[in-house]
Amino acid sequence: AQKVTQAQTEISVVEKEDVTLDCVYETRDTTYYLFWYKQPPSGELVFLIRRNSFDEQNEISGRYSWNFQKSTSSFNFTITASQVVDSAVYFCALSEDTGTASKLTFGTGTRLQVTL
Amino acid sequence: EAGVAQSPRYKIIEKRQSVAFWCNPISGHATLYWYQQILGQGPKLLIQFQNNGVVDDSQLPKDRFSAERLKGVDSTLKIQPAKLEDSAVYLCASRSGRHGPLNEKLFFGSGTQLSVL
Repeated sequence: AQKVTQAQTEISVVEKEDVTLDCVYETRDTTYYLFWYKQPPSGELVFLIRRNSFDEQNEISGRYSWNFQKSTSSFNFTITASQVVDSAVYFCALSEDTGTASKLTFGTGTRLQVTL
Repeated sequence: EAGVAQSPRYKIIEKRQSVAFWCNPISGHATLYWYQQILGQGPKLLIQFQNNGVVDDSQLPKDRFSAERLKGVDSTLKIQPAKLEDSAVYLCASRSGRHGPLNEKLFFGSGTQLSVL
């Protein structure tokens, strides 16, 4: 069975600080996908990144970066120079590769509060 | 491109009443999902459709929950009768349904927040 663990329930930082959100996953599949979604107060889940299990290259997109390490089953998310607009709940999710039948298993989320 | 549409945005009912939620996915998306998100938790999959067929409903409480997607486009999720523990946000998501890593991304609606009193 798949499982995603986000041990950090809530993180508070001051604007311009860097912050890392942790994600640890469990799966028996050799092919799978990892995701990060952002859920602002409006409630809609916003896609941030998808990473497949064969691609361990780290990725940077503006102030966002992701560190995927299969050896530790982790897919951590770092926000550099955080801003108030980054305040939201962030979810890590895992999807197995079953062709058209893939579904996401979510972690419990990390609430990020960025203050001035 | 229009996103996933859901209605109503909020619903308040008393326990034992019935309620229905509606979802219109992104045009052309064959796969549709209903997720339940209880306060403070991550979304949990209730049911997954591929066109008008059910792919996975293993976590749907079938004694009270039902869902349909008759024409393979929009979908309704119903709860009858509602219990207090059904209070949650019900999220609809869609995906293109074509196989391949580029199509693994789910698009979510804003959800329906249900309060059962």
